[in-house]
Amino acid sequence: KAGVTQTPRYLIKTRGQQVTLSCSPISGHRSVSWYQQTPGQGLQFLFEYFSETQRNKGNFPGRFSGRQFSNSRSEMNVSTLELGDSALYLCASRYLAGGPSEQYFGPGTRLTVT
Amino acid sequence: AQSVTQLGSHVSVSEGALVLLRCNYSSSVPPYLFWYVQYPNQGLQLLLKYTSAATLVKGINGFEAEFKKSETSFHLTKPSAHMSDAAEYFCAVSERGGSNYKLTFGKGTLLTVNP
Repeated sequence: KAGVTQTPRYLIKTRGQQVTLSCSPISGHRSVSWYQQTPGQGLQFLFEYFSETQRNKGNFPGRFSGRQFSNSRSEMNVSTLELGDSALYLCASRYLAGGPSEQYFGPGTRLTVT
Repeated sequence: AQSVTQLGSHVSVSEGALVLLRCNYSSSVPPYLFWYVQYPNQGLQLLLKYTSAATLVKGINGFEAEFKKSETSFHLTKPSAHMSDAAEYFCAVSERGGSNYKLTFGKGTLLTVNP
């Protein structure tokens, strides 16, 4: 079974631009979560989607948004990019939305904002 | 709010030595607990998880962790380090119950294995 895939793997954007990152979960997984990883703040939860609905949201400004499609694929969007948005963005999928089922992570998209 | 503390941002061991990575959690109710490993330029890979069954949990690559409620700890161990174990390790917690199963991560511990 194919793992979680994220595209693109690397991205360079200019401050003020917007960006869209894509995540394809493992086949059959309906829950997708997004995390931001930076050297200073570590791994922080952005949001989780299940059946096209946002179930949980982390403490990030409204510039960060996401959505999930009927095939469980997910996208996250960051508008008006700031230098501090430079990070590794990780997507994780799991079979169920609840319970201790493990989350499987993709390789991440490394975003650099200049 | 839950929190996770990983003692030691960097641990260095010799090949063949015991690996001990420390994790303490703060939660009013024992949460679900996880250890993940991250190799350079890769995502996170689950090593093991605790979900209230056996307190000693065995994971992949020879790692294991013991849940100690009295100490609010979930330390990760491996009897004999291998060069391929060099990576960053993250302890994470998830709430028990409700609908919020987001992971809260510790700051990570970078493990170096010396030949």
